[in-house]
Formats: sequence, structure tokens, C-alpha cells
Amino acid sequence: AQSVTQLDSHVSVSEGTPVLLRCNYSSSYSPSLFWYVQHPNKGLQLLLKYTSAATLVKGINGFEAEFKKSETSFHLTKPSAHMSDAAEYFCVVSSGGATNKLIFGTGTLLAVQP
Amino acid sequence: DADVTQTPRNRITKTGKRIMLECSQTKGHDRMYWYRQDPGLGLRLIYYSFDVKDINKGEISDGYSVSRQAQAKFSLSLESAIPNQTALYFCATSGLAGSSYNEQFFGPGTRLTVL
Repeated sequence: AQSVTQLDSHVSVSEGTPVLLRCNYSSSYSPSLFWYVQHPNKGLQLLLKYTSAATLVKGINGFEAEFKKSETSFHLTKPSAHMSDAAEYFCVVSSGGATNKLIFGTGTLLAVQP
Repeated sequence: DADVTQTPRNRITKTGKRIMLECSQTKGHDRMYWYRQDPGLGLRLIYYSFDVKDINKGEISDGYSVSRQAQAKFSLSLESAIPNQTALYFCATSGLAGSSYNEQFFGPGTRLTVL
């Protein structure tokens, strides 16, 4: 069965410093992986997705993630945090196949300090 | 214009009441999903539908039912609401892109409080 583990429930950074949100996955086959962002009182927006093409995936708003099969990781990074990045971030794995169910991590709340 | 809409956006109700949450989409997708979000638990799948005649239970379907009235509409019902169904509920859709279904598109959510 597929699963994802987000290693930090809260991360706090200063504006202008790098962001690292960690995610490990478990999958019996080559997975599809996603990062979604949820701003306060908003729905979920797709940041980026990995679907077995390039291992370094670039997303919106300067975020990127690297798929590392040997480490079963899909960490989300951004070189320089902005105040508007404060939100909750979800790492997600797809069950694939005919059902395409998404399995969500428990989320990481990113705070950006001025 | 929003591609996936949910009504109502907020609802407060009492224990034992019947509640219906509605979802509509203009994306032309055939697959629709209902999730609930609880703090610290991420999103969990309640029900999903691949087309009007295909309804499937997710991981937490007890206490819920759904209706797929048309390709564009997918409703979630709580027949007799209880306080632990207080949560944020999301509808999502997905469509065939190339040879696979992949990305899901989410509505803005419905915040339900059961007193």
C-alpha cells in the first residue's frame, strides 16, 4: 500500500531564507507524487507533481522538489521564503492504476517570520 | 469563474439533522471525490465516483452517503449528523490527461460544524 510521511508538522523560517519541507513515501511501484498547498481559509492548490519524468520537478511560486528513489523521498524546497508562502503543505502519493486515489500526508504548517 | 464549486461554504447544524453538501464542476471531468480534513490528519477519502453509475466507498464512508446526479454534480449526505463529523469537507475532480488520471482539482471546501 502507498503512504506518505511528512517529517515535520511545523516549520518556521525567516523571510528570505531557504525552505525545506520533508516528505518520505512508501510505494510498491513507481509512484506519482504531488505537493499541494492550502492557504488559510482556502482550498487546495497543486504546487507541483512528479510522474516518472524528470526527477527534479519545478512548480509554481519558485518551489521545486526532487524525487530520490534510493531515499524514498520527495522533499519540497524554495531558495528564499516570502511572507505569502505561509500556509499548510501536503505531500501526496497517488494509488495509481484504475482508481487514482490520493493518499495525503498529515501536512506541514509553514510559518514565515519577518 | 471557479471550476469546482461547493455549497454551502459554511454550515452549522445540530446532532441528528440531515445535511447535504453539494459539489458542481465545469471541468468536464468524469471522476469526482469527497474528502474530509481534520487538523493533524490531512485529507481522508470518503467516497469517489468514476461516472454517474459508479460509486465507491473510500476509507471513512461510515455515516455518509453520496449521490451522483449528473456527470457535473456529486452530493454528500450526512443522514444523521453527529459532532465528530465536524470537519472541513472538500470535493475534487479528475479527468483523463493523456493515458492516465492523475491530478485532482479541489473545490474551496465546506466547513461543517455539528453541535
